[in-house]
Amino acid sequence: GAVVSQHPSWVICKSGTSVKIECRSLDFQATTMFWYRQFPKQSLMLMATSNEGSKATYEQGVEKDKFLINHASLTLSTLTVTSAHPEDSSFYICSASLGQASYNEQFFGPGTRLTVL
Amino acid sequence: AQSVTQLDSQVPVFEEAPVELRCNYSSSVSVYLFWYVQYPNQGLQLLLKYLSGSTLVKGINGFEAEFNKSQTSFHLRKPSVHISDTAEYFCAVRPRDTNAGKSTFGDGTTLTVKP
Repeated sequence: GAVVSQHPSWVICKSGTSVKIECRSLDFQATTMFWYRQFPKQSLMLMATSNEGSKATYEQGVEKDKFLINHASLTLSTLTVTSAHPEDSSFYICSASLGQASYNEQFFGPGTRLTVL
Repeated sequence: AQSVTQLDSQVPVFEEAPVELRCNYSSSVSVYLFWYVQYPNQGLQLLLKYLSGSTLVKGINGFEAEFNKSQTSFHLRKPSVHISDTAEYFCAVRPRDTNAGKSTFGDGTTLTVKP
């Protein structure tokens, strides 16, 4: 199956700093990428949907100025957590889709664990 | 809007025993249904999906699931589990009639296979 990578796999940062997480589709072009947040022992919560070349669509309650998403190419989307605080500590997972249609399979990255001190 | 309820948060089972992980959903529109597995500190891997056709779908690693429209359920089953099946399992739905592809996930079921 298609492979999606995330970098870094884990990151520890100080409160107030910004952290960038990359999501890459390695062997296919992803017109749509999704960013999820997962708290320990909980489900995935969709944060935003990003389409290549256009602005991301954020879910209700997600601060777009805090979680900056850029889908610069068909193989790369980035999530930047700006002015991170301890409550932003979480497991962030991206997924990439072969197309926008709802039936298209989504391939998930391995996740990035963010710890804000 | 959609919601997904996984009825069991934890399922302990002995190796080689059968297992069923239950999933019910609620939606005002038709949906596609998915089961994913997540190993510790990893992303999700697709086990199987129901898009249309036969309501019994077979997936990887010997898993299968049956879509029951009247009961709005999509339970996951395996006739004989292995230690390596120990993981977190998520049921998810996606509305058919959009191009958004947004998934709604259940809270997950932790399957623990004991020797």
